[in-house]
Amino acid sequence: AQSVSQHNHHVILSEAASLELGCNYSYGGTVNLFWYVQYPGQHLQLLLKYFSGDPLVKGIKGFEAEFIKSKFSFNLRKPSVQWSDTAEYFCAVNAPGYNDMRFGAGTRLTVKP
Amino acid sequence: DADVTQTPRNRITKTGKRIMLECSQTKGHDRMYWYRQDPGLGLRLIYYSFDVKDINKGEISDGYSVSRQAQAKFSLSLESAIPNQTALYFCATSDPLASSTDTQYFGPGTRLTVL
Repeated sequence: AQSVSQHNHHVILSEAASLELGCNYSYGGTVNLFWYVQYPGQHLQLLLKYFSGDPLVKGIKGFEAEFIKSKFSFNLRKPSVQWSDTAEYFCAVNAPGYNDMRFGAGTRLTVKP
Repeated sequence: DADVTQTPRNRITKTGKRIMLECSQTKGHDRMYWYRQDPGLGLRLIYYSFDVKDINKGEISDGYSVSRQAQAKFSLSLESAIPNQTALYFCATSDPLASSTDTQYFGPGTRLTVL
C-alpha cells in the first residue's frame, strides 16, 4: 500500500519568510497527490491537487506544489507566508487500484507576526 | 463545508459506553469515509463505503462499526468505548465521477473523549 512521509513536524517562521514543506510518498505507479490545510479549530480543506500534466501546481492563497516523480516528492511552497497561514498541513496520496487515501502525519506551521 | 455535517461536535463519555457518531452530506456523493485524527499520526482511515451496499474496513477498523443508512448518511459506532479511542473523528465524501482525482471533502469533525 502507498504511504506518505512528512518529515517536518513543526515549522516556525516569521511573516514574509519563504516556506517549503516536504512530502514524500511510496508507490511506484500513477498517483494523485493532495495538500490539505487545517486551520485551528476547523476541518480539512483542499489546498491543491495534482493528477497529471504540469508538475507545478498552483493552489489557493498563493500556495504551490511541485511533483518530482523521480524523487517521489510533492513539496508545498509559498514565497512569503502570512500570520494567517498558521495551520496544520497534510499531504495525501491516492492511486488507481487502491480504494483509500493515505495521509501524512501532518506539519504544524506557526507564523510569527 | 456545510455540505458535510457531523453530529455531535463534541462528546465526552465513559469507558464501556456505546457511542454513535453521525455524518450527513448534501453533496450527492456516493463515497463516504470515516477517519480519526491523532496528534503526530495524521488521519487514519477507519471505514469507507462506496455505495449503500458497500462497506469496507480501513487501516484501523478494530473496535468500530459503521452503518450506511442511505446515500447521504454514514454512521460510526463504538460498541464499547475505550480511552485510546479518544480522538478527533472526521467524515469525508467523494465522487470519482465529479473529480478525476476522487478529491475528498471533509466534515467539521467530532471531538470524542473517553474517560
